[in-house]
Amino acid sequence: AQTVTQSQPEMSVQEAETVTLSCTYDTSESDYYLFWYKQPPSRQMILVIRQEAYKQQNATENRFSVNFQKAAKSFSLKISDSQLGDAAMYFCAYKVGSGGSNYKLTFGKGTLLTVNP
Amino acid sequence: GAGVSQSPRYKVAKRGQDVALRCDPISGHVSLFWYQQALGQGPEFLTYFQNEAQLDKSGLPSDRFFAERPEGSVSTLKIQRTQQEDSAVYLCASSLATGASYEQYFGPGTRLTVT
Repeated sequence: AQTVTQSQPEMSVQEAETVTLSCTYDTSESDYYLFWYKQPPSRQMILVIRQEAYKQQNATENRFSVNFQKAAKSFSLKISDSQLGDAAMYFCAYKVGSGGSNYKLTFGKGTLLTVNP
Repeated sequence: GAGVSQSPRYKVAKRGQDVALRCDPISGHVSLFWYQQALGQGPEFLTYFQNEAQLDKSGLPSDRFFAERPEGSVSTLKIQRTQQEDSAVYLCASSLATGASYEQYFGPGTRLTVT
């Protein structure tokens, strides 16, 4: 079974600084997707960024970028120029790319990010 | 357009009561998912619908949990004889189609507290 591990229950960053959230995963699949979701206190989960395992290039979305290390099964999220609105719970998630369960998201336990003004 | 909506947002039930949680997906979305998020945990998959067909209910924790989507749009998650361990946030998500590349859009969740 696939597992997703986030080893940092909480992280804090100063406004305008950079922070990196860690995620490791375990899978025997070669085709899969990885995601970072943001869950603000209102609890509506929002997709921040995604990475297809077959793509070597790391995904970027504005201030958000990932460091995808396939061999190490590591998928970290870097937030640059942190803003107060970035404060939220961040979840790393996995989805197999093909086969019968390619709709099911498996989540880590989350990292609570605090942004200090 | 409107996102995924869920009602009620908060529900308090006495142990043993039945509850029904509603999900309105984004219009035209074929796939619908339910997840359970316990306090301090990540969401866990409960069940999945493609249109009105429930294709995967492997995550439902017991036979007290039942989900339906009779017309392929609105879905209801029903929990019979609620127990304290059922206390959690129940998240609904929908996607345009089934497949790994399709983004799941989440609703705000229903926080269920069983007393």
